Amino acid sequence: EVQLVESGGGLVQPGRSLRLSCAASGFTFDDYAMHWVRQAPGKGLEWVSGISWNSGSIGYADSVKGRFTISRDNAKNSLYLQMNSLRAEDTALYYCAKALEYSSSSSCLDYWGQGTLVTVSS
Amino acid sequence: DIQMTQSPSSLSASVGDRVTITCRASQGISNYLAWYQQKPGKVPKLLIYAASTLQSGVPSRFSGSGSGTDFTLTISSLQPEDVATYYCQKYNSAPETFGQGTKVEIK
Repeated sequence: EVQLVESGGGLVQPGRSLRLSCAASGFTFDDYAMHWVRQAPGKGLEWVSGISWNSGSIGYADSVKGRFTISRDNAKNSLYLQMNSLRAEDTALYYCAKALEYSSSSSCLDYWGQGTLVTVSS
Repeated sequence: DIQMTQSPSSLSASVGDRVTITCRASQGISNYLAWYQQKPGKVPKLLIYAASTLQSGVPSRFSGSGSGTDFTLTISSLQPEDVATYYCQKYNSAPETFGQGTKVEIK
């Protein structure tokens, strides 16, 4: 059974940093691209960032480019999101999601974690 | 960047009705289009990928069509359990933008 468990969320002041983690199990982690998607309270889904199976291809939403860094450790079956210079508008539930297609850099998302809540406020 | 625009933003229909949601890309994306269903308080669920391929386990009353810039999600016979917000997503290249969502309710 595929499981994605996010952690690392919490309350943080504007301008500070936070690192999210996603622990994956139930599938061959290093065969699939992984993504972060966020959802602000009462709002829609926003794609944040994605990373290919071998970290060779990485993309970011314009809203986080230059502030957030995605990475993965295939040996630990883990995905990360380093978030710097946090703003109030980054407040959201952050989901970790698995790509549907094996070894593809262009794939939708078939499994999602339950999310970890990030609140940016003074 | 390519923008994804869904319409309508919300709709109310009766049980058994045929429901259609559209998604328009500002540039062509071939068939790199997925549809997700998110029920209140729940995690998004993949319904359709490659514009028209039904994800395993999804009821056959859901279908997708389109290519290029114009796409459609159809629910052939709306059921009470279909109350949710539906999102399209392009995934041909980053940023893999979602549409703003369509909220479906029962009349």
